[in-house]
Amino acid sequence: KQEVTQIPAALSVPEGENLVLNCSFTDSAIYNLQWFRQDPGKGLTSLLLIQSSQREQTSGRLNASLDKSSGRSTLYIAASQPGDSATYLCAVSYQKVTFGIGTKLQVIP
Amino acid sequence: NAGVTQTPKFQVLKTGQSMTLQCAQDMNHNSMYWYRQDPGMGLRLIYYSASEGTTDKGEVPNGYNVSRLNKREFSLRLESAAPSQTSVYFCASNLKPGTSTFGSGTRLTVV
Repeated sequence: KQEVTQIPAALSVPEGENLVLNCSFTDSAIYNLQWFRQDPGKGLTSLLLIQSSQREQTSGRLNASLDKSSGRSTLYIAASQPGDSATYLCAVSYQKVTFGIGTKLQVIP
Repeated sequence: NAGVTQTPKFQVLKTGQSMTLQCAQDMNHNSMYWYRQDPGMGLRLIYYSASEGTTDKGEVPNGYNVSRLNKREFSLRLESAAPSQTSVYFCASNLKPGTSTFGSGTRLTVV
C-alpha cells in the first residue's frame, strides 16, 4: 500500500527566505507526482506535475524534484512571500492517487 | 469559468438525514472522483468513475453511494448521515491520472 509522508508538518519562515518542503513515498511504482497548494477553506490548486521519467519541473519561483528510486520529492520555493502562506500537498499517482497530509507554511512579513 | 463546480458549499445535517452532494465539470473529462479530507488524514478516495456509466469504490466507500449521471455530473449521496461523515468533500476530474482539477469543496457537519 502506497504511503506518502510530508515533512515538516508546519513551517514558519520570514519573508524572502528560500525554503524546501519534503515528500516521501513508499512505493516507487508511480506514474507521476504532483504538488498542490491549498488555501484555508478552498480547494486544491495544482502547482507542478512531474512525470515518473522526469527529474524536476520549474514554474516561476517553484522548483520540484523527483528521485523515484529513493521515493523522495522536494518542493523548493525561492524568495518566499506572505502570499505563499498555504498548505502544500504532495500526491503520487499510479492506479490511484495517494495524498500526503501536507505542510502548512506561514511566511511572516 | 471552466472547472469543477460543487454544490452546496456548506451543509449541516442531523444524524440519520440524507443528502446528495452535486459535482459538475465542463472540461470534457472522462474520470471523476470524490474525496473526503479530514484533519491529520489527508485526502481519501471515496468513489471514482473512470467513464460515463461506470463507478468503483475507493478507500472509504462505506456509508456513501454515487451516480455518474452523464459525462459532466457525478453525485455523492449519504443515505443516513452519521457524525463520522463530518468532513470536507472534494470532487475532482481528469483526462489522465495526476492531472486532476479539484472543486472548491463542500464542508459537511453532521450533528
